[in-house]
Amino acid sequence: DGGITQSPKYLFRKEGQNVTLSCEQNLNHDAMYWYRQDPGQGLRLIYYSQIVNDFQKGDIAEGYSVSREKKESFPLTVTSAQKNPTAFYLCASSILGLHNEQFFGPGTRLTVL
Amino acid sequence: GNSVTQMEGPVTLSEEAFLTINCTYTATGYPSLFWYVQYPGEGLQLLLKATKADDKGSNKGFEATYRKETTSFHLEKGSVQVSDSAVYFCACDNDYKLSFGAGTTVTVRA
Repeated sequence: DGGITQSPKYLFRKEGQNVTLSCEQNLNHDAMYWYRQDPGQGLRLIYYSQIVNDFQKGDIAEGYSVSREKKESFPLTVTSAQKNPTAFYLCASSILGLHNEQFFGPGTRLTVL
Repeated sequence: GNSVTQMEGPVTLSEEAFLTINCTYTATGYPSLFWYVQYPGEGLQLLLKATKADDKGSNKGFEATYRKETTSFHLEKGSVQVSDSAVYFCACDNDYKLSFGAGTTVTVRA
């Protein structure tokens, strides 16, 4: 089955620790995205990547970092510099040029204690 | 860049009621428009889309028509079910990204 997987579904970390969220897709999509969702709010774009070894900052990139070493993988690191890291994180992918229709993973809920 | 504004919720309805969620967009050119649905604790799923003016997207009894003259893409369903309880997001194409509305929480009571 083709799709996007995110792991783990729930993640707990102590304040001051970096944590990496996994996102893998087997849809052969060129572009991948990371969003943050807070309760009662919409999605805010953290980073996106249109091609391997290249990525761009979204609207709220501060305190986050990404890499895109393989087409199918786009891990997100939440660093200790992120002031309010507790949130629901969503990964998505799309075919470039196809109206930007994005396919989403199931999300990772990060709680920083 | 392009943006969308959607009706704020929450919206609470009885089963078999009619549902409308308003969405308007601001854009240069003719962006593709989408409605996504999010069930509790899950990611977003594409509900329907329209890629040009006057297109009607439809799926699972939901419909939305791309209206260029009113820059709107309102979501409608004639008879909702309890299983339609979810958060609905309007989105538009924005230069290789999507711009999302704030989401509308819909609760359907039996």
